[in-house]
Amino acid sequence: EAGVAQSPRYKIIEKRQSVAFWCNPISGHATLYWYQQILGQGPKLLIQFQNNGVVDDSQLPKDRFSAERLKGVDSTLKIQPAKLEDSAVYLCASSLLVPGTAGNTIYFGEGSWLTVV
Amino acid sequence: SQKIEQNSEALNIQEGKTATLTCNYTNYSPAYLQWYRQDPGRGPVFLLLIRENEKEKRKERLKVTFDTTLKQSLFHITASQPADSATYLCALSGGYNKLIFGAGTRLAVHP
Repeated sequence: EAGVAQSPRYKIIEKRQSVAFWCNPISGHATLYWYQQILGQGPKLLIQFQNNGVVDDSQLPKDRFSAERLKGVDSTLKIQPAKLEDSAVYLCASSLLVPGTAGNTIYFGEGSWLTVV
Repeated sequence: SQKIEQNSEALNIQEGKTATLTCNYTNYSPAYLQWYRQDPGRGPVFLLLIRENEKEKRKERLKVTFDTTLKQSLFHITASQPADSATYLCALSGGYNKLIFGAGTRLAVHP
């Protein structure tokens, strides 16, 4: 079974530039997540999609971050304009949400490493 | 505010010993708790899930306990090996299959 695919793997940009990350979840997984992981910290949820609808985006800095999940499959996370503090790993993850079942396993991609200089 | 605490200092142990990692939480009543392993430069990988009505869960050399009164989970690796060296993340359910992660504890197993 193919895992969660992410690209690009690494990106270096200057502050105030824009960047986009792409994610293809595991086939059939209805729930897709974007997490931000700053060095030395745990992953922080930015946005959660259920199919192509947003379930939770309470920690997404909406003045500069945006995300979409077209047709309920692939997703793109965009940052515009980038700040130095956005330097982090952006992890995409997916899970097979079964209604009424608590505790679905979340499968992570390898992450997209962003350095803002 | 809700808080998840894992020991920020690295845990160094000798091969063959049991490693015990701690996850404490406050202002929180999670329905379940999960443990993940993260290797440098890789995404987290799921290890174990334990529900609020379960006291203990085992999988091969791994054991997790969940004490909702103490608001604490312990993660044990028995007969530890150098290949077990990694960062271990505790994650708590936040509703609608949302997970909230701790900062993780780095484990180093020395031969």
